[in-house]
Amino acid sequence: GQQVMQIPQYQHVQEGEDFTTYCNSSTTLSNIQWYKQRPGGHPVFLIQLVKSGEVKKQKRLTFQFGEAKKNSSLHITATQTTDVGTYFCAGRNNNNDMRFGAGTRLTVKP
Amino acid sequence: DAGVTQSPTHLIKTRGQQVTLRCSPISGHKSVSWYQQVLGQGPQFIFQYYEKEERGRGNFPDRFSARQFPNYSSELNVNALLLGDSALYLCASSLFAFREQFFGPGTRLTVL
Repeated sequence: GQQVMQIPQYQHVQEGEDFTTYCNSSTTLSNIQWYKQRPGGHPVFLIQLVKSGEVKKQKRLTFQFGEAKKNSSLHITATQTTDVGTYFCAGRNNNNDMRFGAGTRLTVKP
Repeated sequence: DAGVTQSPTHLIKTRGQQVTLRCSPISGHKSVSWYQQVLGQGPQFIFQYYEKEERGRGNFPDRFSARQFPNYSSELNVNALLLGDSALYLCASSLFAFREQFFGPGTRLTVL
């Protein structure tokens, strides 16, 4: 079945440093979504990518969808303490199965 | 506007029992999805309903079932509970199937 792998599992950065998390699927995805979950909270939608090679930016966050629609990345420039949380990618396959990655837990040291 | 609401917040059951979890989507949203999240892992997709029809199903046993009502609210039922069913159950609503999802606070289920 479809697997969505996400790396790294954990990332600890100094405030101001950049951060990147990567998502890879074993199958081609119809779309990919990114979510952020704070400790004790629920996932909050960040973005959806649909097109091959798509790049979207939200302030300091840059999202990419690979040309083969099997991989994606989230890059945060100059992290802030408010960026702390776990970032999940979620990919939808052609069987309408929505698979979340295991997430990358980001901690930021002030 | 009210967000996605779920009830109950917490629930404790024993093995073999049955449980029903409820979800009310954001007003105007026609799609509801259910996820199971175990601590330290990503949400695992259980079901998606759109316009009262099942549109997607994850890799969960037949003990898990769901339905969506005419007002677009939804219930998730789990029969013959196992210890491994202990988790946070999340409901997410979206305007259309597989679009931007808004998650509720979840129901924390503990099976003893």
